[in-house]
Amino acid sequence: DAGITQSPRHKVTETGTPVTLRCHQTENHRYMYWYRQDPGHGLRLIHYSYGVKDTDKGEVSDGYSVSRSKTEDFLLTLESATSSQTSVYFCAISSGTGDYEQYFGPGTRLTVT
Amino acid sequence: QQPVQSPQAVILREGEDAVINCSSSKALYSVHWYRQKHGEAPVFLMILLKGGEQKGHEKISASFNEKKQQSSLYLTASQLSYSGTYFCGTEVNNAGNMLTFGGGTRLMVKP
Repeated sequence: DAGITQSPRHKVTETGTPVTLRCHQTENHRYMYWYRQDPGHGLRLIHYSYGVKDTDKGEVSDGYSVSRSKTEDFLLTLESATSSQTSVYFCAISSGTGDYEQYFGPGTRLTVT
Repeated sequence: QQPVQSPQAVILREGEDAVINCSSSKALYSVHWYRQKHGEAPVFLMILLKGGEQKGHEKISASFNEKKQQSSLYLTASQLSYSGTYFCGTEVNNAGNMLTFGGGTRLMVKP
């Protein structure tokens, strides 16, 4: 299994509070991704990174920011959490493009009350 | 735009075959297939590239029709362990491995 962990695994927070989710990899892969998964929507890309300090937006980036100061860590921040951001968040890593699979972390279940 | 998967759900008996389809309105560079069991992370199955050949792994194989921008996943002689939700992820260009996932197909295999 690819060495990828997420923390926390579960979190309950209140509307309006900031939240940071962490993704950590031990594979030295270049690409890292944050997805959210909601019933009926599959997996939707929030942000991704193609190197240290190199990030770009995905299809549902509003309300989220990311940072990558080290190869192994990719942080997802909800500046002011809303109930619509209640979801399961998955981090994924990949060593390249095209014929390279993405490996997913175990996920973080976030509930915003 | 999200690729469309069909069917949305399918129930099989052990040993039966199934086909899951993934259709996109955009020209695709690659199609990825993943399986996710309840409460777990998606697990990679296979990738099909534009211009590439049909792939297979034991009793699971897939094809990619570039003209129609469609991919199909074939599960033959299904086993109980095949149960889960199958997702296709499509990439429209070879840049960053950015995938857009379909809504998923729930597969249940019964004894």
